[in-house]
Amino acid sequence: GQNIDQPTEMTATEGAIVQINCTYQTSGFNGLFWYQQHAGEAPTFLSYNVLDGLEEKGRFSSFLSRSKGYSYLLLKELQMKDSASYLCAVDSGYALNFGKGTSLLVTP
Amino acid sequence: GAGVSQSPSNKVTEKGKDVELRCDPISGHTALYWYRQSLGQGLEFLIYFQGNSAPDKSGLPSDRFSAERTGGSVSTLTIQRTQQEDSAVYLCASSLGGGTGNTIYFGEGSWLTVV
Repeated sequence: GQNIDQPTEMTATEGAIVQINCTYQTSGFNGLFWYQQHAGEAPTFLSYNVLDGLEEKGRFSSFLSRSKGYSYLLLKELQMKDSASYLCAVDSGYALNFGKGTSLLVTP
Repeated sequence: GAGVSQSPSNKVTEKGKDVELRCDPISGHTALYWYRQSLGQGLEFLIYFQGNSAPDKSGLPSDRFSAERTGGSVSTLTIQRTQQEDSAVYLCASSLGGGTGNTIYFGEGSWLTVV
């Protein structure tokens, strides 16, 4: 079966750093994706991790530990436009299996 | 076009009617996916097409749902005898290939409301 857990909601202040965690238990694993989804819009690709460690891309970084079934998305220097839902998704070989998403609210 | 194109953007239908949702994937992408997203819920996998292989229909919630892909490109998702619980955003996505690590790109979705 597939089980992907993320916090439902988080709030952070503009300019701060926030870490969104994702734990997973899946029958197959070929990598982990993070997507960003603004309200009423399509999800857009943020990052992909297949090896353990940290992948950095500008203000966003993503970490993976395969042995622990754990990933996090780190957002630095938060901006108001970062208010969105962040979706963790496990690549099980073809289709992605998504968590329910974490709704992030950035406040002034 | 440059991205995944879906139509209609919005559809309001009466309970019991059939609906068809269309997806035009990114040119050259061999893999195509349909997902459903209900209000406040995560993305629910429905069906996956890869090239000329038989589709993976394991996510379709009932036999009222079907999908086809013609010529390895455009796909149509059909929902027969719609029910109110079918109200959701239906998202189509495509990727360059169907294997590991291929980023999938989503369309804007078709918002279906069954009244």
